[in-house]
Amino acid sequence: EIVLTQSPTTTAASPGEKVTITCLASSSVSNMYWYQQKSGASPKLLIYSTSSLASGVPDRFSGSGSGTSYSLTINTMEAEDAATYYCQQWSSNPFTFGSGTKLEIK
Amino acid sequence: QVQLQQSGAELVKPGTSVKLSCKASGYTFTSNHMNWIKQTTGQGLEWIGIINPGSGGTSYNVKFKGKATLTVDKSSSTAFMQLSSLTPEDSAVYYCARSHSGFDYWGQGVMVTVSS
Repeated sequence: EIVLTQSPTTTAASPGEKVTITCLASSSVSNMYWYQQKSGASPKLLIYSTSSLASGVPDRFSGSGSGTSYSLTINTMEAEDAATYYCQQWSSNPFTFGSGTKLEIK
Repeated sequence: QVQLQQSGAELVKPGTSVKLSCKASGYTFTSNHMNWIKQTTGQGLEWIGIINPGSGGTSYNVKFKGKATLTVDKSSSTAFMQLSSLTPEDSAVYYCARSHSGFDYWGQGVMVTVSS
């Protein structure tokens, strides 16, 4: 099973600040997917195939990486971005998720 | 618009089974695979398995083989997951989620509580 390790576990950012979340895979994966989950809601797809923005997602979100190291960046933090973010891999069964990064607004 | 409508919360006794449903609308049901995902505070998000609604073919996370059984009813565009031999460790929120370049649409989730 491919284990995805996210860092940081928790972080806080001020409006306008840049935020980067990292996801390290225990084995190489071909792509990474990122989801945002707000309290009491279902996860929402943000980024697919490492760097492609899902429909309706603001372009302040971006993804990058390859092999075992991937990242999600929020270019300018907004209050509505406060949520928990998860990475996920499709390369190997079982399809696994990272343990999440909780992002708070300062 | 694409919607996945899940059945309501369940309170079930240990040792019994429960069958959850996920009714799809707004797209051709057989065009996308359907997945089921478990979320708990302790274990986070866990992928349970995937079903091809067109063929009925399935693939499971080995952890959930024997626990979860995925089926579909094409006539009603509904996916089902049966969970058997329930224990308190099966208490969780369960989501159905469509596959299309990731899990692009999710149901609202259903809370299953296993308690005597």
